[in-house]
Amino acid sequence: GEDVEQSLFLSVREGDSSVINCTYTDSSSTYLYWYKQEPGAGLQLLTYIFSNMDMKQDQRLTVLLNKKDKHLSLRIADTQTGDSAIYFCAESLLIPTFGRGTSLIVHP
Amino acid sequence: DGGITQSPKYLFRKEGQNVTLSCEQNLNHDAMYWYRQDPGQGLRLIYYSQIVNDFQKGDIAEGYSVSREKKESFPLTVTSAQKNPTAFYLCASSAGELFFGEGSRLTVL
Repeated sequence: GEDVEQSLFLSVREGDSSVINCTYTDSSSTYLYWYKQEPGAGLQLLTYIFSNMDMKQDQRLTVLLNKKDKHLSLRIADTQTGDSAIYFCAESLLIPTFGRGTSLIVHP
Repeated sequence: DGGITQSPKYLFRKEGQNVTLSCEQNLNHDAMYWYRQDPGQGLRLIYYSQIVNDFQKGDIAEGYSVSREKKESFPLTVTSAQKNPTAFYLCASSAGELFFGEGSRLTVL
């Protein structure tokens, strides 16, 4: 199976919260990342969390890490149409490994 | 400003031709990476380099080659041996946090 798994699609209404989930396999990962990719563009680093942390909050973004279950989530509060993009979860000890990405669709 | 620059952004090539994609970073990062992205797919690692004059194959290195003669530069050559080269190529560098360039889209005609 894949090292990093994400659901492929998420649809939310504008103004609601979005929660994108990710599971990973490498318990020795040092960094866990969330990236945003808009059409035709590179990956923009949104936020990251060290493996010794449980939570990180940065404005509308909240990252939760459950090391026991190897589960990472990204919550976007007050989701806007400009948040529509593909979101990638990645883990890294030495070589960063990415999930297939979650397409977030925000509708009015 | 510090960052990663990839060029060209768009590239067309005929079958049988080699092409080289440029990746330059001024972040003073030791580690650099090349990924390939296909529609609906995640990122697959082609090559990576942890230090100057050293690089390692990733998961899909066949048909590709790299060099790392300078810390700032990690060019990727897509050779004619690569059977399905049309894709979006992403370069990244890291000293902990991983940063990406804007990508190069290669189309083989």
